[in-house]
Amino acid sequence: AQSVSQHNHHVILSEAASLELGCNYSYGGTVNLFWYVQYPGQHLQLLLKYFSGDPLVKGIKGFEAEFIKSKFSFNLRKPSVQWSDTAEYFCAVRGNQAGTALIFGKGTTLSVSS
Amino acid sequence: NAGVMQNPRHLVRRRGQEARLRCSPMKGHSHVYWYRQLPEEGLKFMVYLQKENIIDESGMPKERFSAEFPKEGPSILRIQQVVRGDSAAYFCASSPDTGELFFGEGSRLTVL
Repeated sequence: AQSVSQHNHHVILSEAASLELGCNYSYGGTVNLFWYVQYPGQHLQLLLKYFSGDPLVKGIKGFEAEFIKSKFSFNLRKPSVQWSDTAEYFCAVRGNQAGTALIFGKGTTLSVSS
Repeated sequence: NAGVMQNPRHLVRRRGQEARLRCSPMKGHSHVYWYRQLPEEGLKFMVYLQKENIIDESGMPKERFSAEFPKEGPSILRIQQVVRGDSAAYFCASSPDTGELFFGEGSRLTVL
């Protein structure tokens, strides 16, 4: 069965600290990978996505993620977080064929103190 | 280009009543997905529809829940005879044939 595991439930950082959020997936086939962010009281927005090619993907707001196929991982990183990055972050995976649903992890809440 | 529109944003129902949640996808998107979000449980996939067809309903409860995406009009998620455990945020997303999903702002259902 397809599944996504996010290891950290809640991460607390100070401004300017570096961030890495773990994501591992289980899927029997070629995948598309996504990170979404949900700011307090808002809907989900796409941070970045990986379909193919360079496994290091750059997204919005200085975020990046690296796809490591051998580890079934797609960890999210940011070198220096800001208070405004406080949000919930969701990793998601789906097969690359048409007609497959997007499966989400349980999310990681990031709290950044100024 | 308007985003994914969901209504109502907030819905309160008493146990046993019916809840109907509507979702209008982005213009040009023919794929609609429904997810349920519970505190500390993330987003649970419920159903994936294309126009007039249910593609994947593996996440839908077997009873009381149904979804449709008619040829004309919005997609509807219908919950009959609601119970307290149905209280949650229900998110709709749409996509073109492939690629990322675009999410609506959600409908928050409260069952008294």
